[in-house]
Amino acid sequence: AQTIHQWPVAEIKAVGSPLSLGCTIKGKSSPNLYWYWQATGGTLQQLFYSITVGQVESVVQLNLSASRPKDDQFILSTEKLLLSHSGFYLCAWSLEQGSNERLFFGHGTKLSVL
Amino acid sequence: QQKVQQSPESLSVPEGGMASFNCTSSDRNFQYFWWYRQHSGEGPKALMSIFSDGDKKEGRFTAHLNKASLHVSLHIRDSQPSDSALYFCAASDLPNYNVLYFGSGTKLTVEP
Repeated sequence: AQTIHQWPVAEIKAVGSPLSLGCTIKGKSSPNLYWYWQATGGTLQQLFYSITVGQVESVVQLNLSASRPKDDQFILSTEKLLLSHSGFYLCAWSLEQGSNERLFFGHGTKLSVL
Repeated sequence: QQKVQQSPESLSVPEGGMASFNCTSSDRNFQYFWWYRQHSGEGPKALMSIFSDGDKKEGRFTAHLNKASLHVSLHIRDSQPSDSALYFCAASDLPNYNVLYFGSGTKLTVEP
């Protein structure tokens, strides 16, 4: 069975500090990977997607970056946090491109920027 | 401009009742729809997709798509308290999407 693990579960960070969030998928080779951001109780905004190792596409510019260093790992980061970065960050995976399979989301990371 | 609009913002139904959600795409290219739901503190889970005109039924859930008006709806019959969650409509311009646009969500409360 496939599992998706996000870390950390929650973070409290200061404005201007760096950030690194991670996501690991086990039990599925070469998944499509995605990062989403969600304001509290709000809609989901897709940030990035990756079809293969080393390749990441940006969907919106929010002073964030993403990398896929391994087939099963997706990292979201920034060197300088803004207040507007607060929210819920969700990693998701789906089957390889060409299918219409659903997204499978992790439990998310709650980020509070103070 | 948001590509996907949802209504209502919130909804309360009695246990055993019918819950109905609406969604419209403002972009004619976005004709492929998904419904997701999210319980508090968790990631969203996919309920069903609908890509063709008409109805699609999966258990207690029925989705309806009208491509001409770009309107999709979701109906839950025999609602249970465990159905209480945030429901999202999502749309893409391809069935094999890389980018999925979510609506603002409808909060469903099922009263025991």
